[in-house]
This record gives sequence, structure tokens and C-alpha cells, in this order.
Amino acid sequence: LAKTTQPISMDSYEGQEVNITCSHNNIATNDYITWYQQFPSQGPRFIIQGYKTKVTNEVASLFIPADRKSSTLSLPRVSLSDTAVYYCLVGDIGDDKIIFGKGTRLHILP
Amino acid sequence: DTAVSQTPKYLVTQMGNDKSIKCEQNLGHDTMYWYKQDSKKFLKIMFSYNNKELIINETVPNRFSPKSPDKAHLNLHINSLELGDSAVYFCASSLPLREQYFGPGTRLTVT
Repeated sequence: LAKTTQPISMDSYEGQEVNITCSHNNIATNDYITWYQQFPSQGPRFIIQGYKTKVTNEVASLFIPADRKSSTLSLPRVSLSDTAVYYCLVGDIGDDKIIFGKGTRLHILP
Repeated sequence: DTAVSQTPKYLVTQMGNDKSIKCEQNLGHDTMYWYKQDSKKFLKIMFSYNNKELIINETVPNRFSPKSPDKAHLNLHINSLELGDSAVYFCASSLPLREQYFGPGTRLTVT
């Protein structure tokens, strides 16, 4: 299972775009990149998943360079309610042994 | 219309007791999971289970055992509780090869 490295914490302001980068140097060919969001006192919530290039949904975008050794979660125009911990996971899709790292604690300021 | 529910939300008990946490999902998912999130917020998978296979994280003590009375339920039984078992326990479920949906968590405090 590929290990991931993310910043421990980030601060940003309302209305700005936030980019959180995750490093996964030993990603395997079959591995997908998945991001989850966790609010205090709640379970993690799936945000987005991708394999290469760019994926976009109603919540976020995921940018994956050609070598796939890193990925960037982009949150457009954040609000105070986006304050949460964001986890980057790398593994075979449907892997029952996915590992959550330490995550990135994002704090949005007014 | 709760997707994944857990009961109880809070559980306070003494060392040595046996307790259970219930989990139910109404999503029709095939696989269910249990996770432990400790005080440092590390989220670790404990079990994954579908109707064919139970996969156990080898670091989980055998005092912990999942029980699935049917496809929609995966309960967590814990025997001889220890102080170190204090944590938040999350249940989750998924379809094959798809993302997981998590429950609200159960905060277990062992005194």
C-alpha cells in the first residue's frame, strides 16, 4: 500500500481557492487516489477519486500529474464550513485495507 | 433517511466489561467495515466484512469481534475492555470497488 504525505495543517480565508497536495512516491499501477473529508465529531465523507489527469465534481477538483507521484485537491471558493480534516488515500480501488494517514487540518478564516 | 447509523453514540464503561456497538446501513451495500480513531485522530481500519469474507487487521486484539446477523448489520463486540480501547469507533459500508460511507461514530470511554 502506497504511503502518503500531506501537510499537517493549512489556513486560508473565505472565498479563496485552496489546494492541498499529497505526495505518494511509491504509487502502484493499479492504485487510485481518493480524498475524504472529516468534520469534527463526524465520520469521514468521500469527496473525490481519480487515477490520472484531472477529475472534477460539484465539490472539488483533483489534479494528478503524469507521473502520479503526487496529487492536488482543489477546493474552489472555500467557506467557513469547509473547515475540516482532509485525507488523501492511495490504493487499489475497492481495497479493503485502505489506510488513512494523518490528514491535513484545514482551517478557514473569515 | 440515515445511510449508516450506529448505536450508541456515547458509551462509558469500566475496565473488564464486555460491550457491543451496533451498526446498520440501509444502502444495500455488500461490504461493511469498522474503524478506530484514537485520541491523536489516527483512523485505522479494524475489520472489513462481506457475506463471503472477514478481513481482519492483524493488529486488532482478539477481544474485538464483528458479528453480522444480516447483510445490513455489522456489530462490534468487545470483551474485557481496557483503558486503551477508549476511542471513537466508526462503522462504514460500500459497494464493491466503490467509496465508503461512514457512520456518525461511537465515542467509547473506558474508566
